[in-house]
Amino acid sequence: AQSVTQLGSHVSVSEGALVLLRCNYSSSVPPYLFWYVQYPNQGLQLLLKYTTGATLVKGINGFEAEFKKSETSFHLTKPSAHMSDAAEYFCAVIISGGYNKLIFGAGTRLAVHP
Amino acid sequence: DAGVIQSPRHEVTEMGQEVTLRCKPISGHNSLFWYRQTMMRGLELLIYFNNNVPIDDSGMPEDRFSAKMPNASFSTLKIQPSEPRDSAVYFCASSLAGTDGYTFGSGTRLTVV
Repeated sequence: AQSVTQLGSHVSVSEGALVLLRCNYSSSVPPYLFWYVQYPNQGLQLLLKYTTGATLVKGINGFEAEFKKSETSFHLTKPSAHMSDAAEYFCAVIISGGYNKLIFGAGTRLAVHP
Repeated sequence: DAGVIQSPRHEVTEMGQEVTLRCKPISGHNSLFWYRQTMMRGLELLIYFNNNVPIDDSGMPEDRFSAKMPNASFSTLKIQPSEPRDSAVYFCASSLAGTDGYTFGSGTRLTVV
């Protein structure tokens, strides 16, 4: 079965520090990969996606992620955290060949402190 | 485009009452999804429609839950009778080509007392 694992349900960083949120997936076929962000009391907003092509993808708000097939990973990074980045982040995968069902990880709550 | 529109934003109801949640997908999108989000279970896919037809309802927890999509611009999720354990945030999402990801609504926060 396809799955997504996010390492660390809570991550805390200082303002200005590197943000690294980890995501690993399991799939025997090339996946489509996504990161979503959820701010308090809001819906999920697409941060970035990998479908085909360049393995380093850039998203909104300065975030980027790199697809590493050999490591089955799609970690999310941002060089310098802002207070406004505090939110919950979800990694998700669509396994091609199915009906494009989006499978979510459990989420990582990012806290940014001064 | 106004995005995916859900109503109501908040719903408080008494146990045993019928609850209807509504969703208007993005115009032109042909797929619609209902998700439930709780602290314990995270995001759960309840049901998926493609071209207004239910394709996968394996996530619907019980017969008390039902969903309809009478046309391309409207869907409902009904719970009857409601129970306190149904308290959650319910999201609707739509997509045109699923490989581009989904667009989510702002959700309906349901509280059953």
